Amino acid sequence: ETGVTQTPRHLVMGMTNKKSLKCEQHLGHNAMYWYKQSAKKPLELMFVYNFKEQTENNSVPSRFSPECPNSSHLFLHLHTLQPEDSALYLCASSQASRINEKLFFGSGTQLSVL
Amino acid sequence: QQPVQSPQAVILREGEDAVINCSSSKALYSVHWYRQKHGEAPVFLMILLKGGEQKGHEKISASFNEKKQQSSLYLTASQLSYSGTYFCGTVNAGGTSYGKLTFGQGTILTVHP
Repeated sequence: ETGVTQTPRHLVMGMTNKKSLKCEQHLGHNAMYWYKQSAKKPLELMFVYNFKEQTENNSVPSRFSPECPNSSHLFLHLHTLQPEDSALYLCASSQASRINEKLFFGSGTQLSVL
Repeated sequence: QQPVQSPQAVILREGEDAVINCSSSKALYSVHWYRQKHGEAPVFLMILLKGGEQKGHEKISASFNEKKQQSSLYLTASQLSYSGTYFCGTVNAGGTSYGKLTFGQGTILTVHP
């Protein structure tokens, strides 16, 4: 148990669906992240939020829309996805978005786009 | 630019040693190591800062050679619990990507009884 909880664990959706991934951290951290993990590829940073403000968008397509209502919760809204978006989506948190911060990851949401 | 890990996969018997390498083409500020077991969250192991330091976590240690822009993770007397995928993450020392943590592709370590 890392203190970061992601739901759902698994999600199957069609290309025309709209769904949301949820992440919650119980560590009192101020920074939250979305990473994408595809088979045989490195972990790819998608978004960074620091004190609820988005500080980084790593050229992510607009069909992925993040939301951070407070420092404990992070959402990733999905719409009109493509099959190549199928991957494990990991949420992480850290004390703050500074260099050399230790990241605490959730177990991820395994997304399949049909 | 992402770091390159080698080897891509390692198979060991319990008690054997292994080394996982992480190389970058850029000058590095720090190297981070994480381990991910199948179906679980990646877990932090250690951070090494420039200065050539070496750190340890139980029987897992690591070194960082900033001149060679390389880090190595040493697993000594491996245990079954060491099985998983090991990721290095690097932070560049300057340039436009300064401060960004970029992960390698991972090394799959399997320990058999």
